Amino acid sequence: NAGVTQTPKFQVLKTGQSMTLQCAQDMNHEYMSWYRQDPGMGLRLIHYSVGAGITDQGEVPNGYNVSRSTTEDFPLRLLSAAPSQTSVYFCASSYPPSTSGGRNTGELFFGEGSRLTVL
Amino acid sequence: GQNIDQPTEMTATEGAIVQINCTYQTSGFNGLFWYQQHAGEAPTFLSYNVLDGLEEKGRFSSFLSRSKGYSYLLLKELQMKDSASYLCAVEDSNYQLIWGAGTKLIIKP
Repeated sequence: NAGVTQTPKFQVLKTGQSMTLQCAQDMNHEYMSWYRQDPGMGLRLIHYSVGAGITDQGEVPNGYNVSRSTTEDFPLRLLSAAPSQTSVYFCASSYPPSTSGGRNTGELFFGEGSRLTVL
Repeated sequence: GQNIDQPTEMTATEGAIVQINCTYQTSGFNGLFWYQQHAGEAPTFLSYNVLDGLEEKGRFSSFLSRSKGYSYLLLKELQMKDSASYLCAVEDSNYQLIWGAGTKLIIKP
């Protein structure tokens, strides 16, 4: 069981470049999300999705785009990288209870993380 | 604003017991999570509390008091592999997770 697969693990970009972080899960989870983790701060939600074709903004969405064309995949796109986007990025998924309308995160399963450096 | 507070770092001895506290102020409450994160790795789920009281799971227990906005994670019979960061997260009324910055636990022999 692969769980949540996230690529690449490491990436160095120059300011202004664009890139896509890939995330795929094989657990048939409805809920998927992207977080960034910075030293001394809690995980911050970038974007999330409660099902295929549905995405919404989290706490820090600026500079990032997402799409959810299938249940399995939830890529995160950096449109024009900035040094402030240097961070560790985690993709996470869960199977939320139906009583929450798909919004309850439930137990989150995380990918291994992607360490991004923007010069 | 919404806030989760937990100590930045704690040190404990192998074989001992340690309690990691978490206090929160959020817009509503739908549950509290504890996650463990080893250095350089992803967080992994430890526990979930939605009602007041103690939830025990092996060497780990988690306690919740909703009236006090307070939770703790209790780790017994500490092992070196328990050296990690412990993240507290509260689900608010919009079912969004608010995360604490984490407590780095250092275990000494």
